[in-house]
Amino acid sequence: TQLLEQSPQFLSIQEGENLTVYCNSSSVFSSLQWYRQEPGEGPVLLVTVVTGGEVKKLKRLTFQFGDARKDSSLHITAAQPGDTGLYLCAGARAGGFKTIFGAGTRLFVKA
Amino acid sequence: DTAVSQTPKYLVTQMGNDKSIKCEQNLGHDTMYWYKQDSKKFLKIMFSYNNKELIINETVPNRFSPKSPDKAHLNLHINSLELGDSAVYFCASSQAPGNQPQHFGDGTRLSIL
Repeated sequence: TQLLEQSPQFLSIQEGENLTVYCNSSSVFSSLQWYRQEPGEGPVLLVTVVTGGEVKKLKRLTFQFGDARKDSSLHITAAQPGDTGLYLCAGARAGGFKTIFGAGTRLFVKA
Repeated sequence: DTAVSQTPKYLVTQMGNDKSIKCEQNLGHDTMYWYKQDSKKFLKIMFSYNNKELIINETVPNRFSPKSPDKAHLNLHINSLELGDSAVYFCASSQAPGNQPQHFGDGTRLSIL
């Protein structure tokens, strides 16, 4: 069982569609990060959410941290082929030291 | 001017051999990490060093030995390579330990024949 459960595992959509991916846990996290990884490269940080209920926007990407700091979501508006990649959430539990990664959501946006 | 660079990018070798992967970061970060990403893309922490001191040592075979000569470098030596060691190994760094954003290298793709 993953400490951070990401869903869906795989998503294939048409350009222009909206989508949401989820990162859920039964544990409280001091903060969560979202990364995007493209083939042949390492993960690249998109955003960090720290406060329960926080919403952050990065162009067409909207990130939300749950009120209880146990979950997070990433919403993409009008997806583009350039959004294709593996989206990873990561965090350390409150009082913890080690960053844990979810298994990721693989997004494919067709032109 | 790559922030986190690791070498080699590809490594193909025979079972039983010993190999090393090197990592350097020029971000001035105090903390460095080694991760293993398997074929299902699951990213798992192996080791972490803070200012040259080992702070995270996950349950990995003792054939894997990290070394940090200074806080900008973290190398990984693997003895007696096995088929199951085939994976992509990522080096990363962060300003401090704990729940900090991490900067990743591009990975070393290790294939064991």
